Amino acid sequence: EPEVTQTPSHQVTQMGQEVILRCVPISNHLYFYWYRQILGQKVEFLVSFYNNEISEKSEIFDDQFSVERPDGSNFTLKIRSTKLEDSAMYFCASRGDTGELFFGEGSRLTVL
Amino acid sequence: QKEVEQDPGPLSVPEGAIVSLNCTYSNSAFQYFMWYRQYSRKGPELLMYTYSSGNKEDGRFTAQVDKSSKYISLFIRDSQPSDSATYLCAMSQIQGAQKLVFGQGTRLTINP
Repeated sequence: EPEVTQTPSHQVTQMGQEVILRCVPISNHLYFYWYRQILGQKVEFLVSFYNNEISEKSEIFDDQFSVERPDGSNFTLKIRSTKLEDSAMYFCASRGDTGELFFGEGSRLTVL
Repeated sequence: QKEVEQDPGPLSVPEGAIVSLNCTYSNSAFQYFMWYRQYSRKGPELLMYTYSSGNKEDGRFTAQVDKSSKYISLFIRDSQPSDSATYLCAMSQIQGAQKLVFGQGTRLTINP
């Protein structure tokens, strides 16, 4: 069964460092998303991406964040200068024509 | 008032019981309603996807949407220990951007 894959599964970084989280969406999907979940809190929308551009972003997605689809398969989330409060699970998701959103297993980011 | 409210539980029931999980919401523009299951430190797994009001059944799972009351439910029949997880409701206004707004999640334990 097709699935969304994410790497790394866990990354530990120092405050102020840049982090890139990678995702391979389901192959025939055209809509891509990043969500995050701080421990014990709700899953929160960060950004949606379609046709090589951001279609919507939340207030959380400030100038420290960026997304890119560098080739035909990968979709990345970059955090330019990490802060302690960026520690969370980051989930990539993709959607096809049926409207159903499928999530990856997540990348756990720990900022020290 | 929060956009989506969900009792976080925890909810504990014996194996074989019927489980009822619920969410209320305040935004009448929500049209698409989903239930996800999330195991500890894993990504949300789509269980049910419904549009507008009505019922949808899939095996032991039934999703109900009552837009007039802004209330959605997920019923699990013949519950199994493997159903033990956190159940998240999620909803969106339009299919295109698919910015999902999640509930807090209800932690469910099925006791053998």
